[in-house]
Amino acid sequence: GQNIDQPTEMTATEGAIVQINCTYQTSGFNGLFWYQQHAGEAPTFLSYNVLDGLEEKGRFSSFLSRSKGYSYLLLKELQMKDSASYLCAVRDYNTDKLIFGTGTRLQVFP
Amino acid sequence: DSGVTQTPKHLITATGQRVTLRCSPRSGDLSVYWYQQSLDQGLQFLIHYYNGEERAKGNILERFSAQQFPDLHSELNLSSLELGDSALYFCASSVVLAGGTDTQYFGPGTRLTVL
Repeated sequence: GQNIDQPTEMTATEGAIVQINCTYQTSGFNGLFWYQQHAGEAPTFLSYNVLDGLEEKGRFSSFLSRSKGYSYLLLKELQMKDSASYLCAVRDYNTDKLIFGTGTRLQVFP
Repeated sequence: DSGVTQTPKHLITATGQRVTLRCSPRSGDLSVYWYQQSLDQGLQFLIHYYNGEERAKGNILERFSAQQFPDLHSELNLSSLELGDSALYFCASSVVLAGGTDTQYFGPGTRLTVL
């Protein structure tokens, strides 16, 4: 079966660094995605990992360890606008569908 | 702006009714994926079409059906609506990024409210 776990909520302070973890169990893995979603809006693509290691994109970085079924999204220099839900998703090898976790709601305080 | 369009943005209807949600993928994209997002739940995959053919099905109810037309736009039909069908419905199309990464970009969604 497929299972993706991530914390439900996190809080952080403006200017700080926060790490959002995601663990997954899947029968056919073809990449891990992170999306940002503001309430009532569409998910927007942040990052993609298919090989082990760190991918850096400006203030956002994402890490993957396939052997551990583990990923994290690192957000640096937090801004108030980073308050949103962050969705971890695994792409199924056979169908290309994305299997999403329930998301981590991040609140950034001044 | 992802380039994926969805109409309508909001839809309010009554139980037992039927509605049609429409999605147009980015120009040139052949794939359309449909997802449902209920309150406090993650995005749930419903169905995937590629160039007019059904490619994969998720936990889509029998009351729901979809199709992709020759111009590549897609419609999701929901019938015999129940209160529990109230949700955000997103479609996404595949984009191949520089480096060959194939990812999904989402449309703005249709918020369905069943009263």
